[in-house]
Amino acid sequence: AQTVTQSQPEMSVQEAETVTLSCTYDTSENNYYLFWYKQPPSRQMILVIRQEAYKQQNATENRFSVNFQKAAKSFSLKISDSQLGDTAMYFCAFVPNFGNEKLTFGTGTRLTIIP
Amino acid sequence: GAVVSQHPSWVICKSGTSVKIECRSLDFQATTMFWYRQFPKQSLMLMATSNEGSKATYEQGVEKDKFLINHASLTLSTLTVTSAHPEDSSFYICSASTGSSAYGYTFGSGTRLTVV
Repeated sequence: AQTVTQSQPEMSVQEAETVTLSCTYDTSENNYYLFWYKQPPSRQMILVIRQEAYKQQNATENRFSVNFQKAAKSFSLKISDSQLGDTAMYFCAFVPNFGNEKLTFGTGTRLTIIP
Repeated sequence: GAVVSQHPSWVICKSGTSVKIECRSLDFQATTMFWYRQFPKQSLMLMATSNEGSKATYEQGVEKDKFLINHASLTLSTLTVTSAHPEDSSFYICSASTGSSAYGYTFGSGTRLTVV
């Protein structure tokens, strides 16, 4: 069974600063996908970034980037130039073989951007 | 992009009645639908997985007779909470998969259920 661990229940950072959210996972699978989802106060789940395990290059999406360390089973999210709209719960998630498999979520990190 | 429409966004019902929540994929065919429950300030808890035309697979501890899931078409899945009680009050979210990496997993906007 897969597990996803987010060890930071809450974080806060000043607007415009950079923040890194941690995520580790455990799996015996070799091919899988990792995700970061954002859940703002509206509670709509929004995909922030996706990483395919067989790709060594770290994924980036504008101000969001990941540090994917496959051997260490680590998948951290870096948010640069943080904005007030980044305030949300962030969930790390794992899925093997993509498609119809269920996502395994971490417990989440509540991020607050301070004006 | 892919959109999943979930209705209602919130509902209040009396104890003992049933409530139906719908999730529709608007611009793609959802081969698999996942139903989650989320308590305040907690992560998403998977309740069941449904494939179009098949019976849903429920997670351990989820009462299948209480939480009825129907996935009759590739664009519609429903969750019916039968004989609702106050402890069923929660936030319910659906998520759809096409089986293709092109769309990924798309989430509905959620339904806040309050049983009084």
